[in-house]
Amino acid sequence: DVVLTQSPLSLPVTLGQSASISCRSSQSLVYKDGSTYLNWFQQRPGQSPRRLVYKVSNRDSGVPDRFSGSGADTDFTLEITRVEAEDVGVYYCMQGTHWPFTFGGGTKVEIK
Amino acid sequence: EVQLVESGGGLVQPGRSLRLSCTTSGFTFADYGVTWVRQAPGQGLEWIGLIRNKASRGTTEYAASVKGRFTISRDDSKSIAYLQLNSLRTEDSALYSCARVDGDYDVGFMDVWGQGTTVSVSS
Repeated sequence: DVVLTQSPLSLPVTLGQSASISCRSSQSLVYKDGSTYLNWFQQRPGQSPRRLVYKVSNRDSGVPDRFSGSGADTDFTLEITRVEAEDVGVYYCMQGTHWPFTFGGGTKVEIK
Repeated sequence: EVQLVESGGGLVQPGRSLRLSCTTSGFTFADYGVTWVRQAPGQGLEWIGLIRNKASRGTTEYAASVKGRFTISRDDSKSIAYLQLNSLRTEDSALYSCARVDGDYDVGFMDVWGQGTTVSVSS
């Protein structure tokens, strides 16, 4: 199975500052069709997961442009600029390239 | 409005079975697959399986941890997906959620989730 390793596990951030979450895959996430099926989800406390980004860098409608996804092959990053209180939660990367699909272990973002 | 609503969770003894439902509305169910994800208390997300859309004949994929014990099915006439849980173990206790999946794994890939239904396995 593909192992997705997220870092850091915990990310204390000052309001208004930036945060960066890494997701590294144990193998390439480029599918035979040329697409890379790496997604990012946000899970706020007590809520269901919400997709933020699909296929590496496509931001979902309604997601603030403070969130951006980047990367390629095995290394991916979710950047949050100008962190706000509503950004508190756990962030997960997830790959949909190889069966079985897998999630990263999650990164907890909290306010300092 | 696109909605997915899970039901069927509860308390069950080890070794017993349970069937969860994912009732959908607001979109053409037959055009979408459905995936199931679970989250044990205080733990991360675990992908457990997927059923493809009608065009892909509703074929399924599973995580190794549930393969052979769990079965996903669908009823396109009712817009419902099911997760049959057999031979339940205490480690299967979790919140089980469903999400829709478009055929191209693109803009509609796990873009809408249900709120989940809780399964507790205990003697």
